[in-house]
Amino acid sequence: DTEVTQTPKHLVMGMTNKKSLKCEQHMGHRAMYWYKQKAKKPPELMFVYSYEKLSINESVPSRFSPECPNSSLLNLHLHALQPEDSALYLCASSQPQGTFSYEQYFGPGTRLTVT
Amino acid sequence: AQTVTQSQPEMSVQEAETVTLSCTYDTSESDYYLFWYKQPPSRQMILVIRQEAYKQQNATENRFSVNFQKAAKSFSLKISDSQLGDAAMYFCASNTGTASKLTFGTGTRLQVTL
Repeated sequence: DTEVTQTPKHLVMGMTNKKSLKCEQHMGHRAMYWYKQKAKKPPELMFVYSYEKLSINESVPSRFSPECPNSSLLNLHLHALQPEDSALYLCASSQPQGTFSYEQYFGPGTRLTVT
Repeated sequence: AQTVTQSQPEMSVQEAETVTLSCTYDTSESDYYLFWYKQPPSRQMILVIRQEAYKQQNATENRFSVNFQKAAKSFSLKISDSQLGDAAMYFCASNTGTASKLTFGTGTRLQVTL
């Protein structure tokens, strides 16, 4: 079952709100990712978790806070966002092989609008 | 650092015809993987095909095949017998062992016409 699920599908939030995006995979993968994608652009990597530990933070502003409660779940906590943070947020997972990870499987994304 | 270049912002193909999408990459790594992802209007990124750099044989997946030219650092995707459902944005991507990061090209939007 090559499925990554994300909730919610759509989210509208004000700049003072706090919300969370959720991602879940049941493929036994031990690496999980958050990407941000603007329209007509490729995804931009935000965070990587490997074996439930944060291994990469691509200099993302602190208003985005990732969390990996267990090997199947990945959250992205949002607080005090700006309108320019409106985008499609994609979650992905992959199976590490030593220091390597092969193909990543993506969820359907959460379309976030910040008003 | 890796770079991936897709020089065709848009392509068009008639249904049942064949189309080739181009991709070039640059990496100093000896061990890497190359991928083509498809992103239809629904926006879900779908893995189409992958190629291991150490394999000389070109990967194939049903109607999708690649032409991997390692010396030229070229990795093109051929879609045979194009179908309306193939219409999407196609991203070429590379992955080296370093930190498991995918580097994406800018994408090629494929239109399929009747």
